[in-house]
Amino acid sequence: AQSVTQPDIHITVSEGASLELRCNYSYGATPYLFWYVQSPGQGLQLLLKYFSGDTLVQGIKGFEAEFKRSQSSFNLRKPSVHWSDAAEYFCAVGDKASKIIFGSGTRLSIRP
Amino acid sequence: DAEITQSPRHKITETGRQVTLACHQTWNHNNMFWYRQDLGHGLRLIHYSYGVQDTNKGEVSDGYSVSRSNTEDLPLTLESAASSQTSVYFCASSEGLAGNEQFFGPGTRLTVL
Repeated sequence: AQSVTQPDIHITVSEGASLELRCNYSYGATPYLFWYVQSPGQGLQLLLKYFSGDTLVQGIKGFEAEFKRSQSSFNLRKPSVHWSDAAEYFCAVGDKASKIIFGSGTRLSIRP
Repeated sequence: DAEITQSPRHKITETGRQVTLACHQTWNHNNMFWYRQDLGHGLRLIHYSYGVQDTNKGEVSDGYSVSRSNTEDLPLTLESAASSQTSVYFCASSEGLAGNEQFFGPGTRLTVL
């Protein structure tokens, strides 16, 4: 069965520092992979997605993610975080039936 | 602009009462989904629909039901609310093809006393 693991529940980084959020997935075929962001009290917004092709995917708000099949990973990165990046981040894997399985999320706090 | 809305945004109810949460989308998407969000669990799928008159059970469907009478709406009903159903509920929709982005509503915070 497909699953998503986000090993970090909560991460704090300083403003201007680089960020990497980890995501590992389990899926039998080539997966559809997503990163969503949720600001406090809001719904989820898509940051980026991977289907096939180039394994480095660019998203909105300066985020990128790299698909590594050998490691079953899809880590999210940003070179320099801003205070407005404080939010909950969810990695997700989609199946061929249009369903999406979400990880448990990583809460990002920004240190001034 | 197309959007997906949920109502009410906040609801307090008592154990045993029937509760219906509304979800309305103007994207004209075939697929609609209901999730619940609980601390430490991320989002878990309750029910989903691929089109009018189609409904399917998700991972945590016990105690919930949905019906799809038109493209725009997928109401979620808690037949007899339980305290374990206190949660934040999100509705989402997507186009028919696998791998398409799901668009989310703002959520409904439900408290069952």
